Amino acid sequence: DAKTTQPPSMDCAEGRAANLPCNHSTISGNEYVYWYRQIHSQGPQYIIHGLKNNETNEMASLIITEDRKSSTLILPHATLRDTAVYYCIVRGLYSGGGADGLTFGKGTHLIIQP
Amino acid sequence: DGGITQSPKYLFRKEGQNVTLSCEQNLNHDAMYWYRQDPGQGLRLIYYSQIVNDFQKGDIAEGYSVSREKKESFPLTVTSAQKNPTAFYLCASSQQVINQPQHFGDGTRLSIL
Repeated sequence: DAKTTQPPSMDCAEGRAANLPCNHSTISGNEYVYWYRQIHSQGPQYIIHGLKNNETNEMASLIITEDRKSSTLILPHATLRDTAVYYCIVRGLYSGGGADGLTFGKGTHLIIQP
Repeated sequence: DGGITQSPKYLFRKEGQNVTLSCEQNLNHDAMYWYRQDPGQGLRLIYYSQIVNDFQKGDIAEGYSVSREKKESFPLTVTSAQKNPTAFYLCASSQQVINQPQHFGDGTRLSIL
């Protein structure tokens, strides 16, 4: 799986959009970009994933650059409950489907300021 | 509600004792996983299982053992051979379908006294 690079921490004002960047310059053609977040002392929560098109769900939007070497997770209206560590993970497709581990780095600690 | 249940949330054991962490899922997922997380670090894969009665070692399997006798259950035993067992342990599951995400339980925090 390709390596990802994220800033260690970011601040965002409550009610504003939080934009979390991720670099994955060695990503290969069949690798997806996944985002998870982890609130202190809880298990990681799946947010969104994508291959090359931009994706949106009820939690967030994922913008992937045309060359696929970087992506941005957007939380459109951040609340205090969005304070968490956000992990960007690149993962390829295997014949076994989902049955291999995710590689978690240290992520970005997003702090939402009131 | 469908989900992954890990128990107990906190576990204390004496040094040298084996301890078993429970993980149950009612999501009808074929694949299940165990991860370890140390303070300020990301997750590291211990073991995973794609199907009942089969499991594979992850990156840090030494000192751990698992079983997968039922689709819903994937218990993890931390043995006395694990030199530094104090950590946060997370269980996850996923469908055996390409690109489906893993879903996590809320973890068990193990402390060795």
